[in-house]
Amino acid sequence: EIVLTQSPATLSLSPGERATLSCRASQSVSSYLAWYQQKPGQAPRLLIYDASNRATGIPARFSGSGSGTDFTLTISSLEPEDFAVYYCQQRSNWPPGFGQGTRLDIK
Amino acid sequence: QVQLVESGGGVVQPGGSLRLSCAASGFTFSSYGMHWVRQAPGKGLEWVAFIRYDGSNKYYADSVKGRFTISRDNSKNTLYLQMNSLRPEDTAVYYCAKDFPKGNYYMDVWGKGTTVTVSS
Repeated sequence: EIVLTQSPATLSLSPGERATLSCRASQSVSSYLAWYQQKPGQAPRLLIYDASNRATGIPARFSGSGSGTDFTLTISSLEPEDFAVYYCQQRSNWPPGFGQGTRLDIK
Repeated sequence: QVQLVESGGGVVQPGGSLRLSCAASGFTFSSYGMHWVRQAPGKGLEWVAFIRYDGSNKYYADSVKGRFTISRDNSKNTLYLQMNSLRPEDTAVYYCAKDFPKGNYYMDVWGKGTTVTVSS
C-alpha cells in the first residue's frame, strides 16, 4: 500500500501570499495524483487531477506539479476562501489512498 | 444539477448493522463507478469501497473487508453501503462520491455525508 505524506501539517499565511503544499509518496505513483480542498463542515472538492490538471471551475491560482514521488500544490495568491484543509490522493496503486492533510490557516 | 444525497446514518451499538443510501441525480448514474469515503471525527479522509458502473466489480479497504458490502440499484439511481459487525472505529462521516471520468478512482462529485456513530 502506498503511503502519502503531506507537509507541513499546518501552514499559516496571509491573504495575498503564495502557498506551497507538499505531498510525498512512499513509491512512485507516476502522475496519478489528485488534490482536494475541504472546508469545515463541507465535503471535499476536487482541485487538481493527474498532478497538474485543474478540474472544472477551479481558479487559475491553483496549480499542481510533480511526478514520481514528489508533488506540489501551489496557490499563487491566497484568497480568503482558500483557507481550508488540503488532501492529496493517489490512484496509481490499489487502494486509492489519501494523505493526512495540510491545514492552511489565516495568519 | 449533479447531486448526491446520503442517508441512513445514526447511532448503533458495537456489533450492530446499518445500511447507508446515496441518491444520485443530475447525471447518468448507471455510467459511473461510485465510491464510499469516510472521515472520522477530526481526522483525514479514508477510502472505504468502490463499485463499477454496472456492479460487476467491488473493492474494499482492508479495514472493512468482510464486514461492509457496497451495492447499487441503477434503476433507482441509488448506491448502498451495508455495514455489519460495526466497531467504534467505524464512527465517521460517510460520503458517497462519483468516480471521475477523466481519471478513474478520483472523485469529482461528493455528497454532504451522513454521520455514523458506533457506541454503547
